[in-house]
Amino acid sequence: EAQVTQNPRYLITVTGKKLTVTCSQNMNHEYMSWYRQDPGLGLRQIYYSMNVEVTDKGDVPEGYKVSRKEKRNFPLILESPSPNQTSLYFCASIPRHGDRTMNTEAFFGQGTRLTVV
Amino acid sequence: GNSVTQMEGPVTLSEEAFLTINCTYTATGYPSLFWYVQYPGEGLQLLLKATKADDKGSNKGFEATYRKETTSFHLEKGSVQVSDSAVYFCALDPGPYSSASKIIFGSGTRLSIRP
Repeated sequence: EAQVTQNPRYLITVTGKKLTVTCSQNMNHEYMSWYRQDPGLGLRQIYYSMNVEVTDKGDVPEGYKVSRKEKRNFPLILESPSPNQTSLYFCASIPRHGDRTMNTEAFFGQGTRLTVV
Repeated sequence: GNSVTQMEGPVTLSEEAFLTINCTYTATGYPSLFWYVQYPGEGLQLLLKATKADDKGSNKGFEATYRKETTSFHLEKGSVQVSDSAVYFCALDPGPYSSASKIIFGSGTRLSIRP
């Protein structure tokens, strides 16, 4: 079954304690992206990756890091989480060829609800 | 640049009412347009899409027509059900001839249907 898998689904952590949210897709998609969803703000892109070893900042990258060492995995790293990073996070993947979209849908993970206290 | 403006919510309707959620966009080139739906506790999933002007996307009784002249992609359903309660996102993919590299999402519209 084609899917994007995020872990964990729920996480409560304390300010400053490094954490990683994993994202894995089994569809061999080139493009992967992280979003955060906040009430009244919709989806905002944090980082995206066009392919292995190619990552770039989205609209709200501050306080986050990503890596893309393999095509299937795109972890989101919070080196020193703060309460303003409390949010619902989604990973997504899309098939592309280089920088050309294929006009197909984005596949989303189930989401990770993060609370930083 | 590319942008999507979506009707603000929340929208509350009675069962069997007619639904319209407005979406307009700004884009250069030949974008594709999408509606995604997010049911409670779940991730987004594609509801329907249209890849060129005058195309109509449809799924589960929902429809939306890609109108280039009005730069719109409004979501409609003739008779909503309680199970349609969800958050709906309009989205734009810049397309293969654009230098832009990311999908643009609207802010989402929360829909609640009363029995």
